[in-house]
Amino acid sequence: SQQGEEDPQALSIQEGENATMNCSYKTSINNLQWYRQNSGRGLVHLILIRSNEREKHSGRLRVTLDTSKKSSSLLITASRAADTASYFCATVRGGSYIPTFGRGTSLIVHP
Amino acid sequence: DTAVSQTPKYLVTQMGNDKSIKCEQNLGHDTMYWYKQDSKKFLKIMFSYNNKELIINETVPNRFSPKSPDKAHLNLHINSLELGDSAVYFCASSQESSGVGETQYFGPGTRLLVL
Repeated sequence: SQQGEEDPQALSIQEGENATMNCSYKTSINNLQWYRQNSGRGLVHLILIRSNEREKHSGRLRVTLDTSKKSSSLLITASRAADTASYFCATVRGGSYIPTFGRGTSLIVHP
Repeated sequence: DTAVSQTPKYLVTQMGNDKSIKCEQNLGHDTMYWYKQDSKKFLKIMFSYNNKELIINETVPNRFSPKSPDKAHLNLHINSLELGDSAVYFCASSQESSGVGETQYFGPGTRLLVL
């Protein structure tokens, strides 16, 4: 069954604003990964957070993980038009190494 | 110096035909994957393959078969193509020495349209 579910499905903001996307999942995980997909392109890895970690940063990206609530969030600060893309979370369940992807959040950043 | 490459980028074909999509990775990874992304962007794992095992998603029709001539290549063969096979197919690779799931590197995708 599908693991990660992103929320919201679509997000439209102005350049300079922050964008927050959430991911919820159902079973225990080894790690959770966030990916970006630009239109017509392949997925690009952003951040991998392991089950024993609570927060990770990479540039303007911040990912949090709350295993008690089985949820993660991706925050993009000071968004830019170039951040326009779909963002996917992928969970790796305990006992597996294969990630299960959610349906993604479509982010539009207006210049 | 592309890390994961796929060919062809676009594939338009008739129902009933047999086709192949090629994938190569130059990252030295030990595990490769095929995913199918439908029109609603839902990304579904089809196969995972390393030198130890082939893991098949049980929902994938047996018309689909992966073939790995060596560690750097995982090709996808599709027999008797159907309209519902139209989608974007992504190849990916990762280094799974830990066995707990690592970063995946994706190819650019192959857009398959079955007429």
